[in-house]
Formats: sequence, C-alpha cells, structure tokens
Amino acid sequence: QKEVEQNSGPLSVPEGAIASLNCTYSDRGSQSFFWYRQYSGKSPELIMFIYSNGDKEDGRFTAQLNKASQYVSLLIRDSQPSDSATYLCAVRRLFGNEKLTFGTGTRLTIIP
Amino acid sequence: ETGVTQTPRHLVMGMTNKKSLKCEQHLGHNAMYWYKQSAKKPLELMFVYSLEERVENNSVPSRFSPECPNSSHLFLHLHTLQPEDSALYLCASSQDIYNEQFFGPGTRLTVL
Repeated sequence: QKEVEQNSGPLSVPEGAIASLNCTYSDRGSQSFFWYRQYSGKSPELIMFIYSNGDKEDGRFTAQLNKASQYVSLLIRDSQPSDSATYLCAVRRLFGNEKLTFGTGTRLTIIP
Repeated sequence: ETGVTQTPRHLVMGMTNKKSLKCEQHLGHNAMYWYKQSAKKPLELMFVYSLEERVENNSVPSRFSPECPNSSHLFLHLHTLQPEDSALYLCASSQDIYNEQFFGPGTRLTVL
C-alpha cells in the first residue's frame, strides 16, 4: 500500500467548474497536510496546508481534511486554464518523523 | 521566485564524471533538503540538514554526497552516477524542520 495515494489523472474540468482533487494516506499518525502545485517543467509551489479536521479556505482554494477516514482533498472553484498543473499531496507527522511524504500527483487540465 | 536558487539548471554528465549541484536560500531558513523527482514516481527525500547538521539520510547510494557548509548553502556532490540517476533534483528550505518547505527551480540531470 502506498503511503500517500492520489489518482494520477489526467483530470479534465471545464473552465469555471469546480475541480476536486483527492488524496488518501496510510499513516494514522500524520498530523500536517500540504498541497503543492507543479507546472510542467517547474518546481512544486506550496498552495495550501491544513492541520485540523474540516475545511480551510483561501481564495478559490479549499482544503478539506478528514482524519478518521484518512483523506484530504483540494477543491478549486471557478477553475481557470492557469490552474492546469500537477497537484501534489504531502503528509507529515508533526512530531517524531519530520519527513514529508508525497503522493505521485494528479494532473489537472482545465478545458477552456 | 521562492528565494531558493539552484545551479546549474541543466546538467548532462557521463558515468565517470564528477559534478556538484548547488543550492542557496535567501530566506534565513535553518533547514534544507535534497529531493529527487523521477517520472511517474513520488518526490523522494534524499537528505535533510538542520542548522548545518544532517538529520536524515534516506538510504541514498554513496555516489551522492551532500555538503552543508552553512545554513544558506547546500551542495550535492555526484560521482560515478548511473543512467537511472537521471531525474530532476530539487532543493528546498524551511524555517525549521517542522515548517512548510519552499522549493528551488531544480536541476535537470541527465546521466549518459
């Protein structure tokens, strides 16, 4: 079982719609969760992090965390062509092992 | 720009060459990291330095040798690499090992 699982995609979403990206993790000790965006040929860029169960909103982005079900998701509202990228989910234990464990990423394409 | 720079951006080397990758961060961070990103695989953490001391080494082959002379600079010395070492090598930094990480642009390495 992979430590962090993401659907590799590609996920195609019409412009203006909501894009929903999901991530599940196997380590119940995980405490902090991150979403990175990576454009083709570029390095990952942190866009959201979440530590507590529930929703966290930042502009068009909403991160959702459910520790009981061991999943974290990212919603992108009013999707734009510039949102087309690979989205990487990363998780970490807050104490003890500080290593960030990444998923393979979901490739998102916004269709104009 | 994230405040983390890497040189060179592209590197082609033969299996018998010795080369070094350089990373510099201008953020006043205390932790620095080397990651390897290969196609279709999750980001792999290679080395972690905190306050210039190595705190994690994820079973990386000895042909990769890190060096952290001060908290702003990180090197990855390469020798007798294999073609399967071809990948994007990313440097990252964070305020400390518990904070979010910011990535440099990466070095695209090709081993012939």
